[in-house]
Formats: sequence, structure tokens, C-alpha cells
Amino acid sequence: GQSLEQPSEVTAVEGAIVQINCTYQTSGFYGLSWYQQHDGGAPTFLSYNALDGLEETGRFSSFLSRSDSYGYLLLQELQMKDSASYFCAVRPNSGYSTLTFGKGTMLLVSP
Amino acid sequence: DAMVIQNPRYQVTQFGKPVTLSCSQTLNHNVMYWYQQKSSQAPKLLFHYYDKDFNNEADTPDNFQSRRPNTSFCFLDIRSPGLGDAAMYLCATSRDRDRAEVQFFGPGTRLTVL
Repeated sequence: GQSLEQPSEVTAVEGAIVQINCTYQTSGFYGLSWYQQHDGGAPTFLSYNALDGLEETGRFSSFLSRSDSYGYLLLQELQMKDSASYFCAVRPNSGYSTLTFGKGTMLLVSP
Repeated sequence: DAMVIQNPRYQVTQFGKPVTLSCSQTLNHNVMYWYQQKSSQAPKLLFHYYDKDFNNEADTPDNFQSRRPNTSFCFLDIRSPGLGDAAMYLCATSRDRDRAEVQFFGPGTRLTVL
């Protein structure tokens, strides 16, 4: 089976850097994805790590370490609009290979 | 712009009265997904279509059905909605099964059951 653990809530101030961790227990998967969801909105794809290491997209970076069963999303130069829920997700390499989501981390950015 | 469209955005139904939610996509993606999401929870996959091949999740209640008459459209039918079915229903697509990591979501339909 698959299990992904994320902190339920993280708070930070504008301009700061925040890291949202995702630890997982899964027998095997293709890669780690991150999605952003604003309150009342739909999830939006942010990034995907198929291989170990860091992927950077503007202010957002994502990291994966398969040996440590761990990944994170790093948000730099935080803005108020970054207040949202962030979900990590994996696609197991068995069965129909659909996404399994973590429970999500609510990020609250204050002035 | 290529996109995923869901109608209606808000749906109110009565307990036990069938309801149909619709989803269309202009991305020409092979895979379409239906998720149920309750407040402060992760999206829960109900089923997905790979082309016309229907795949039901093991714990999806029989009360939920789906149809995909063509590549562009997919419907979610709730035969007898209960109070516990009140939720946001999200439709998503991916280009193919091996690209399921990257999904494009519609804005969702918020279902209220009275």
C-alpha cells in the first residue's frame, strides 16, 4: 500500500522561505508530484520529481530522495497568494497507477 | 485555451434524488478522472477512464456511476444521493496513463444534499 505523511499546517510570513515535507511508505512508485489548491478552488499541478534531486520552477522547488523515502516542496519569497493547501502525491508502479494524494498541508502566509 | 470544464459549478439536490454532474475537456487527453473531495481532505479517486476503458476504485460505492460517451465528455451519476455525499466533485484529465503524475483539474462541482 501507499502512505504519505505531510504536516497539517505550516505558517510563515511574507518574503520568507518555507519547506513542506512529505514522507512516504510505498512499495514502489514512479515519482513524486506536488499540487496547490486554493480554498474553494481546484488542485493545480506544481512540479514532478521522477528522479532524486532538486527541480526548480521559479520561486518553487521540489526535492526527492528515494533512499530516505522523503521529499519536500520549497517555496521562496513567500507571497500572500501562496496561502493554500499543498498536496504531495505518488503514482505507484503497480495496479492502474493512478495518483495517491497525501492529506495536504495548509500554508498560511501572514503579512 | 485548452481546459477542463465542469457543469454546474454548484448543484443542490434532495436526499435520494438522482443527480448528474458533467465534465468536458478540450485537451484531447486519453484519461479522465472523477474525485470526491470533502472539506480539509485530500481528493479521493472514485474512478477513471482510460479511453473507453472504465476503472472503478474498490471502495467506490455502487451509488456512483460514470459514463464517457466520447473523448471530450465524462459524466458522474449519483443514483441516490445521501447526506454523506455532499462534497466537491473534481474532474481531471491526464494525457495518458503513464502521465498520470500531471493532471489537469476542472473547477469542480460543489454538491449540496438537502
